[in-house]
Amino acid sequence: GQQVMQIPQYQHVQEGEDFTTYCNSSTTLSNIQWYKQRPGGHPVFLIQLVKSGEVKKQKRLTFQFGEAKKNSSLHITATQTTDVGTYFCAGDNTNAGKSTFGDGTTLTVKP
Amino acid sequence: NAGVTQTPKFRVLKTGQSMTLLCAQDMNHEYMYWYRQDPGMGLRLIHYSVGEGTTAKGEVPDGYNVSRLKKQNFLLGLESAAPSQTSVYFCASTTPLNYEQYFGPGTRLTVT
Repeated sequence: GQQVMQIPQYQHVQEGEDFTTYCNSSTTLSNIQWYKQRPGGHPVFLIQLVKSGEVKKQKRLTFQFGEAKKNSSLHITATQTTDVGTYFCAGDNTNAGKSTFGDGTTLTVKP
Repeated sequence: NAGVTQTPKFRVLKTGQSMTLLCAQDMNHEYMYWYRQDPGMGLRLIHYSVGEGTTAKGEVPDGYNVSRLKKQNFLLGLESAAPSQTSVYFCASTTPLNYEQYFGPGTRLTVT
């Protein structure tokens, strides 16, 4: 079946440093979504990418979808303590609304 | 709008007991999902539904059953709970227009 892998599993940064998490799928995806889960909370939708090579920005967050639609990345510029949490990618290769989640990257930010 | 709500928030069961988790959404979403999340891991899909009266198996369906008798509700049942089912359970819903999933607050289940 479809597999979605995320690296790294954990990332510890000093406040102000940049952070990147990578998502790789074993199959070509029709779309990819990113979610953020704060400690003790539930996943919250951040963004969806659909087109090959797509790049979207949300303030300090930059999301990319690979040309082959098998990988994606989330980059945070100048991290803040409010960025703490686990970031998940979720890929759908069927366009049937059934996404496979990666295991997430947990970000901690030292003030 | 309440969004997605889950009942109960916490539950402790003994091995062999049964229970039902209720998920309700007020956004008129067609698709609904049940996930489990174990420590340090992502979300694994248990069962899902693409419409009222329809359900399908996800990645880890064994030991669980579901029903979607009304569009706004999605029930997850454990017939005979096992310690391996100790987890946090999340319900989510979405529309096929954009697949953005809205999650409920979760149910923390412990089976002793």
